[in-house]
Amino acid sequence: GQQLNQSPQSMFIQEGEDVSMNCTSSSIFNTWLWYKQDPGEGPVLLIALYKAGELTSNGRLTAQFGITRKDSFLNISASIPSDVGIYFCAGPPRYTVTASKLTFGTGTRLQVTL
Amino acid sequence: DGGITQSPKYLFRKEGQNVTLSCEQNLNHDAMYWYRQDPGQGLRLIYYSQIVNDFQKGDIAEGYSVSREKKESFPLTVTSAQKNPTAFYLCASGSGLNTEAFFGQGTRLTVV
Repeated sequence: GQQLNQSPQSMFIQEGEDVSMNCTSSSIFNTWLWYKQDPGEGPVLLIALYKAGELTSNGRLTAQFGITRKDSFLNISASIPSDVGIYFCAGPPRYTVTASKLTFGTGTRLQVTL
Repeated sequence: DGGITQSPKYLFRKEGQNVTLSCEQNLNHDAMYWYRQDPGQGLRLIYYSQIVNDFQKGDIAEGYSVSREKKESFPLTVTSAQKNPTAFYLCASGSGLNTEAFFGQGTRLTVV
């Protein structure tokens, strides 16, 4: 089956630093989704990308849909303590138009120190 | 408020007992999903339903059952056949017209 590899697995950063993480796939995706999960809560959708090369921002977050369609990147600028959590990438198999078969990455755990 | 509600937040059960987790949405979404999350892992799809009275097995359906009698509701039963039921269970819904899924707050099930 398809796998989504996220890196890094975890990162410790200081408040104010910028953060970069990525997600790679063994096959082509038509959509990339980025979610954030706080401890003990459900994931919250941050950004959705639908087109190769697309760059989309949501406040301090910026995500890009890789040109090869096999990867995506998420950047967080000027991190703050509430950025702590697990960030997941997700996507449906090619030619899927519903979320029925979303594949999730294993997540990047972000911890921010003061 | 519109959203997806899972209940209860925490659930404890004895080994060998069936238990049903509730998921209700008022977003008028056609599609609903159940995922399981284990510590340090991503989300794995248990069952999904794209329309009322129809549902499909996901990647790890063994030991689980679902029903979809109403558009708003998609309860998940964890049966005694599930070998390792202790986990965090997440329900999600989507409009079916795009690929986004929106999640509830999760139910943490502990079987002792």
